[in-house]
Amino acid sequence: DQQVKQNSPSLSVQEGRISILNCDYTNSMFDYFLWYKKYPAEGPTFLISISSIKDKNEDGRFTVFLNKSAKHLSLHIVPSQPGDSAVYFCAASSYGGGFKTIFGAGTRLFVKA
Amino acid sequence: GAVVSQHPSRVICKSGTSVKIECRSLDFQATTMFWYRQFPKQSLMLMATSNEGSKATYEQGVEKDKFLINHASLTLSTLTVTSAHPEDSSFYICSARKASNQPQHFGDGTRLSIL
Repeated sequence: DQQVKQNSPSLSVQEGRISILNCDYTNSMFDYFLWYKKYPAEGPTFLISISSIKDKNEDGRFTVFLNKSAKHLSLHIVPSQPGDSAVYFCAASSYGGGFKTIFGAGTRLFVKA
Repeated sequence: GAVVSQHPSRVICKSGTSVKIECRSLDFQATTMFWYRQFPKQSLMLMATSNEGSKATYEQGVEKDKFLINHASLTLSTLTVTSAHPEDSSFYICSARKASNQPQHFGDGTRLSIL
């Protein structure tokens, strides 16, 4: 049972445009959400997070939006750069779950120059 | 920023060998460390969660006698793959967390190849 779903295995975007990566979750107890970026043969790097009391968090070119009623979150990257090409993992955790982090399957982003 | 070091980055060894992987949090004390396994083109699969000074909590389907985890201090956890076989070949990644409401920070992973 996948509690965190990233339905798009890949996404291709032109340099300078916006990249939108989507994530859906099923567990309404999740109250902390994270995005990680991963290059091949490296561990994931933490990008940005959001708690369930907020609906938006911004850090430079990266913005995460949370829609609790739809159990959906998205990561926006503006403007996209070729160096952003990587696999992006959405993750979620909950206080009641001991903050065990559940990861989605990842979306591979290609940013074309 | 938080730095997690994982060593070695790559191991190639014969079937039946035991392999130890180290995970260190370099600039913070990690109350909890996690061990993941990643299969090609798949997500991170949590194997176990370890808290300093206590026994690791293994996920369903992960053999605790096969994958020995020791969390000896707030900055070091080790994963030992005992009597490794070719099916244990995978990418193993550790992560560490300062506190339960903080993000995990990952090591760079260990590519384990069993011949």
